[in-house]
Amino acid sequence: QVHLVQSGAEVKKPGSSVKVSCKASGATFSSYAISWVRQAPGQGLEWMGGIIPLFGSVNYAQMFQGRVTITADKSTNTAYMELSSLRSEDTAVYYCARSLGVISYFDYWGQGILVTVSS
Amino acid sequence: EIVLTQSPGTLSLSPGERATLSCRASQSFSSSYLAWYQQKPGQAPRLLIYGASSRATGIPDRFSGSGSGTDFTLTISRLEPEDFVVYYCQHYGSFMWTFGQGTKVEIK
Repeated sequence: QVHLVQSGAEVKKPGSSVKVSCKASGATFSSYAISWVRQAPGQGLEWMGGIIPLFGSVNYAQMFQGRVTITADKSTNTAYMELSSLRSEDTAVYYCARSLGVISYFDYWGQGILVTVSS
Repeated sequence: EIVLTQSPGTLSLSPGERATLSCRASQSFSSSYLAWYQQKPGQAPRLLIYGASSRATGIPDRFSGSGSGTDFTLTISRLEPEDFVVYYCQHYGSFMWTFGQGTKVEIK
């Protein structure tokens, strides 16, 4: 059984950055991919980007290009997502999710992290 | 980039009724790359269907998926009280994923 455990809630000021983590247990990183998906309050799901930890390959959704950085530490089975130049519209729950490859569905999800951007 | 449009936005039905949710794509793609998720309030999404019609592990057989090309459907044959939540379709391409905007199934 795979578990994705995410770091705790964050409160940030506009213009700052946030870095959140997602630690996988029950399986090594192997060749699967970790994606980050966000959900603003009352809104739908939005894919932000993903990484294949084994190779370090990344891809970002166009709307987040230049503002998001996704990394992974194979030694600790942990993926990270850093979002910069935060604005109030970035207030959302941020999920990590696993897929078995770059052309696969999300079979496991983290519990989500609420990031609040407020002055 | 493929855009997925779900309809209706909200579906009002009674327990025991049949629910039919639609997901239409802006361009045709293989049905192998279409998934459906269920999301309950305060929870992460849960995989229901992958490859357009294959049920994920532990998903009841009242949930079924179908479709091809640009038109896909999630059917819930008999709504149970716990099914009145939000459903999303998803396309998975080459290192890119897109979601529909969701359909909320509410109690009539």
